[in-house]
Amino acid sequence: DTEVTQTPKHLVMGMTNKKSLKCEQHMGHRAMYWYKQKAKKPPELMFVYSYEKLSINESVPSRFSPECPNSSLLNLHLHALQPEDSALYLCASSSEQGFTQYFGPGTRLTVL
Amino acid sequence: QKEVEQNSGPLSVPEGAIASLNCTYSDRGSQSFFWYRQYSGKSPELIMFIYSNGDKEDGRFTAQLNKASQYVSLLIRDSQPSDSATYLCAVNMTYNFNKFYFGSGTKLNVKP
Repeated sequence: DTEVTQTPKHLVMGMTNKKSLKCEQHMGHRAMYWYKQKAKKPPELMFVYSYEKLSINESVPSRFSPECPNSSLLNLHLHALQPEDSALYLCASSSEQGFTQYFGPGTRLTVL
Repeated sequence: QKEVEQNSGPLSVPEGAIASLNCTYSDRGSQSFFWYRQYSGKSPELIMFIYSNGDKEDGRFTAQLNKASQYVSLLIRDSQPSDSATYLCAVNMTYNFNKFYFGSGTKLNVKP
């Protein structure tokens, strides 16, 4: 089973709202990722968790706050977002040696 | 200089032909190489990965890696209209397995 699940599939929020994106995998992977993808662009790395610890933060604005409650779950907390943050947010996981990174279906986020 | 480069395309091939997608990378510390297929509005789907020089075949897909020349390619035999998508090349590094660098993607159109 190579499945990464994400909820919700779609999210519309105002600039003053607080919301969270959720991601789950049961492949025993110890690295989990958040990416942001704009139309016609490649995925842009935001955060990496390795063994439940934040290992990479690509200078992401603080209005995005990641959380890894356990090795299977990854959250992205959103607060005071801007319209330019509208994008497809992708979660991914990979095995310990970095072989094969699998993506979830993504959350389509619209900020009004 | 970008770590991973791809021609943006579009690459147009007739149905049944071989589609050849190319990717070059700049860092000789690159460890593993991945090809993802992404349909419009969907998340990237892993097609192939390769980490040794030479060819790796899986069904209609063949990945080719040449570390001396720093390029990796994907051949799609007997191309089908359903193969029409954007193909993303990605690499990760020996010194940081958990950081994946993506090319900008090549759009493939397979014409019936």
